[in-house]
Amino acid sequence: DTGVSQDPRHKITKRGQNVTFRCDPISEHNRLYWYRQTLGQGPEFLTYFQNEAQLEKSRLLSDRFSAERPKGSFSTLEIQRTEQGDSAMYLCASRPTSRQETQYFGPGTRLLVL
Amino acid sequence: AQTVTQSQPEMSVQEAETVTLSCTYDTSESDYYLFWYKQPPSRQMILVIRQEAYKQQNATENRFSVNFQKAAKSFSLKISDSQLGDAAMYFCASKRDDKIIFGKGTRLHILP
Repeated sequence: DTGVSQDPRHKITKRGQNVTFRCDPISEHNRLYWYRQTLGQGPEFLTYFQNEAQLEKSRLLSDRFSAERPKGSFSTLEIQRTEQGDSAMYLCASRPTSRQETQYFGPGTRLLVL
Repeated sequence: AQTVTQSQPEMSVQEAETVTLSCTYDTSESDYYLFWYKQPPSRQMILVIRQEAYKQQNATENRFSVNFQKAAKSFSLKISDSQLGDAAMYFCASKRDDKIIFGKGTRLHILP
């Protein structure tokens, strides 16, 4: 069991550029979650998937954000036309769909928009 | 809206001593889960302890235990025999639908 992995771990980009992050959940975990954590705050929910279906999106997820999980395994989170306010840590988590409630988090991708 | 409040932005404890981190929450659900997560500097978030609301017994994991007061909507974390490796941000959290709602965190310093 290798745990949740995320790539890249760090990303620096200029305002207006597009960025894409990848998350590989724990094998056989059907549910996958994206959270955003800004400095000094706790993580905030963005969206989650059950297999390939995106079940819920937060109001925080503006039109510039899109997430996919095309084959029900890894997921990508894309931010178009990045803004300085997008600078944050983007966390991915996964869990199986049994009653087990614990979400297992990846190391995160830290984004800095200049 | 479901909220989680941690009123202590930072705390310090002497190594080998005991420390308690406070948390209050608000929920309208009758069946819910509460969590404490630990986030060490530049490392990933890991689950410390979990409490199911329908269980009256307080959860315990080795040196970590909770004081769950359902009527008061309080969920504090006690760390016994504090170790240097316990230094981290600690987040109290609750589960609403299938989302975790986090507090703002308490940064715990361990003094050698």
